[in-house]
Amino acid sequence: KAGVTQTPRYLIKTRGQQVTLSCSPISGHRSVSWYQQTPGQGLQFLFEYFSETQRNKGNFPGRFSGRQFSNSRSEMNVSTLELGDSALYLCASSSLTWNNEQFFGPGTRLTVL
Amino acid sequence: GQQLNQSPQSMFIQEGEDVSMNCTSSSIFNTWLWYKQDPGEGPVLLIALYKAGELTSNGRLTAQFGITRKDSFLNISASIPSDVGIYFCAGPLTGNQFYFGTGTSLTVIP
Repeated sequence: KAGVTQTPRYLIKTRGQQVTLSCSPISGHRSVSWYQQTPGQGLQFLFEYFSETQRNKGNFPGRFSGRQFSNSRSEMNVSTLELGDSALYLCASSSLTWNNEQFFGPGTRLTVL
Repeated sequence: GQQLNQSPQSMFIQEGEDVSMNCTSSSIFNTWLWYKQDPGEGPVLLIALYKAGELTSNGRLTAQFGITRKDSFLNISASIPSDVGIYFCAGPLTGNQFYFGTGTSLTVIP
């Protein structure tokens, strides 16, 4: 079974721009969660989507948004990028059939200049 | 916000030694997950725990779900160079929203 895939793997943007990251979950997994990882703050939860609906949201500004499609693929968008948005953005999928184990993709490394 | 405290923060050990690390929470968890992350990659799930007191092994790794449900422990026996990485604990407080520990960086000296 293929794992979680994320595209692109690396991205360089400048302040003020916006960016869209993509995540394809493990086949059959309907829950997709997004996390931001930085050296200073560690792994922080952004939001979770299940059946195209946002179910949980972390403590991030409204510049961070996401969506999920009917095939469970998910995208997250960051608008008006700031230098502090530079981070590894990780996507994780869960089947939620009998447990909530999360499986992570390789991440997208975003650098904001 | 929710804090998961991991200790130690870093470890430097000789190849062949055993390793112990733990994670404590201020809240009760119903699930504990342990992950390993290599530089530039996503975390890889090592062990999942679902019941207080549960002891689960995965090869040389053994993890325990604390009786109080506020802590968990991970042990690695007979460490090898490929055990190098950062180990994270994680637990869901609400729904599928996971909180992650601060991480334990492991260095294995051949």
